[in-house]
Amino acid sequence: DADVTQTPRNRITKTGKRIMLECSQTKGHDRMYWYRQDPGLGLRLIYYSFDVKDINKGEISDGYSVSRQAQAKFSLSLESAIPNQTALYFCATSERTSGRLDTQYFGPGTRLTVL
Amino acid sequence: DAKTTQPPSMDCAEGRAANLPCNHSTISGNEYVYWYRQIHSQGPQYIIHGLKNNETNEMASLIITEDRKSSTLILPHATLRDTAVYYCIVRVGAGGTSYGKLTFGQGTILTVHP
Repeated sequence: DADVTQTPRNRITKTGKRIMLECSQTKGHDRMYWYRQDPGLGLRLIYYSFDVKDINKGEISDGYSVSRQAQAKFSLSLESAIPNQTALYFCATSERTSGRLDTQYFGPGTRLTVL
Repeated sequence: DAKTTQPPSMDCAEGRAANLPCNHSTISGNEYVYWYRQIHSQGPQYIIHGLKNNETNEMASLIITEDRKSSTLILPHATLRDTAVYYCIVRVGAGGTSYGKLTFGQGTILTVHP
């Protein structure tokens, strides 16, 4: 979805380096998410944010940190990258709702390789 | 969230309807059925969702059985571009500060051939 962009699209780095993945959205959504995808394991939630002042850990937050700089921007950082963080990373957004539905829309992904 | 079961792979001829089944026998009354698809390493794409009534949009139709224990995603006229992994997800909705967890399983690899 062109409304959700991720940079960089591909990154190769070395063990121990600090890496930042960025996500921007023009959908005007309040909620943003970071997932990683590994072969055979589906998508797993790393962090999510319901608004600029609200950050929550997901299933696998160890080794990661996030920053919600504005409603439209949500960054994921790997403080000291390790090889098992090699994966495909996806950002997603959804709209705040008082009802029970919040469909998530995904960005194109960032392929990260840690050597 | 309720667990879902999907066939690992299916084939479909171009121009024909693709019917993708999903079993979710432990679904709760407040859980929705969502379908996403992922075309080779691209971001998952939302297709459709429903609670208990059948739903249709420009992409697909969703048929949910009366007991809600299973559902079928129908792509009425499959094209080569519909080749993807299709995920059936059962989840609670999210309201206020509640997060509706979105859990992707293994999905069904749909291959549309000429």
